[in-house]
Amino acid sequence: AQKVTQAQTEISVVEKEDVTLDCVYETRDTTYYLFWYKQPPSGELVFLIRRNSFDEQNEISGRYSWNFQKSTSSFNFTITASQVVDSAVYFCALSGITGFQKLVFGTGTRLLVSP
Amino acid sequence: SQTIHQWPATLVQPVGSPLSLECTVEGTSNPNLYWYRQAAGRGLQLLFYSVGIGQISSEVPQNLSASRPQDRQFILSSKKLLLSDSGFYLCAWSNSDRFGQPQHFGDGTRLSIL
Repeated sequence: AQKVTQAQTEISVVEKEDVTLDCVYETRDTTYYLFWYKQPPSGELVFLIRRNSFDEQNEISGRYSWNFQKSTSSFNFTITASQVVDSAVYFCALSGITGFQKLVFGTGTRLLVSP
Repeated sequence: SQTIHQWPATLVQPVGSPLSLECTVEGTSNPNLYWYRQAAGRGLQLLFYSVGIGQISSEVPQNLSASRPQDRQFILSSKKLLLSDSGFYLCAWSNSDRFGQPQHFGDGTRLSIL
């Protein structure tokens, strides 16, 4: 069975601090995909990034960076120089390639960035 | 480009009343479609998914049903709402042609049952 664990329920930081959101996954598939989504207070889920299991290169997009490590089954998300607009709930998700392409979501991490 | 529309944005309904939430996708064909529910402060629960017209799979037995009358239309319904049906409902779509496609979500419907 597939599982995604986001152990951090809520993180509070002050603007300009760096923050890392942890994501640990479990799967028996050798090919799988990992995702991060952002849910701002308005409620919609915004797709941030997708990673496949064969690509362990870290990715950077502006202030966002992702660290994928198969050895520890982790796909962590770092926000550098956080801003108030980064306040949201962040979800990590996993999908395999067998059966229907369902996304297995973690329970989310609420990030509060104060000025 | 593809867009997803979901309505209404908010809904207040009495217990025992019917429900119909609608979701449409534009700019793509034969998408996979999904309905999720998110209870307050909780994670996402997949309710239904569909790989084609008239093809509905239910993830959790409950008071709700879903239908896909057209390729890009997905409807969530109930004949009689329960208090436990309150929550935030999200519709999503993904491309069906390859594995590992991200799901793209609508703005959601906040449903309150009185």
